Amino acid sequence: RKEVEQDPGPFNVPEGATVAFNCTYSNSASQSFFWYRQDCRKEPKLLMSVYSSGNEDGRFTAQLNRASQYISLLIRDSKLSDSATYLCVVNKVSAGKSTFGDGTTLTVKP
Amino acid sequence: DAGVIQSPRHEVTEMGQEVTLRCKPISGHNSLFWYRQTMMRGLELLIYFNNNVPIDDSGMPEDRFSAKMPNASFSTLKIQPSEPRDSAVYFCASSTRVGGTGELFFGEGSRLTVL
Repeated sequence: RKEVEQDPGPFNVPEGATVAFNCTYSNSASQSFFWYRQDCRKEPKLLMSVYSSGNEDGRFTAQLNRASQYISLLIRDSKLSDSATYLCVVNKVSAGKSTFGDGTTLTVKP
Repeated sequence: DAGVIQSPRHEVTEMGQEVTLRCKPISGHNSLFWYRQTMMRGLELLIYFNNNVPIDDSGMPEDRFSAKMPNASFSTLKIQPSEPRDSAVYFCASSTRVGGTGELFFGEGSRLTVL
């Protein structure tokens, strides 16, 4: 079983739709969590951190469920420019490194 | 401010040749990471350095791969000899937090094709 698992998709949604991605992690000692975005043939870039209390940045909402060991990303009012691959990242400080999921691909269509 | 700089951006080489990828991290970042990305395996951590010292190289595929960080502003990833299965995009990333527990800043990647 992979340490971080994501539904690869693809998710194909119309503009304006709300879409949600989940990511599960296997190591209960994981301590910090992030969502990165990767455009086609580009490098990953930080989208947002995920806090225990949940956090929101504009149309994006991230949530953490430690009991069930998953994190989620909700995108409201999807834009064409949201089309990308979204990577879930899990860190364990004592391991000193980040583990990336394989990513979920989103395509927003007109 | 300059981001993480990688070179070359693209390299095409023949099996058996030596390949050297280069990375300049963001000034002031004390952690540096080498990742490899393929369709089949996703983004894999190969090795990371804290303050120029290799901390974890458990992701390095085999002895054909080696990485160095002679100073805080330069790192290399070398493959010798290269094989077709090494074809991938190699990303270098740096971070201010030890072990990359904070934000990772990625370079644009080096796209390697081994024929």
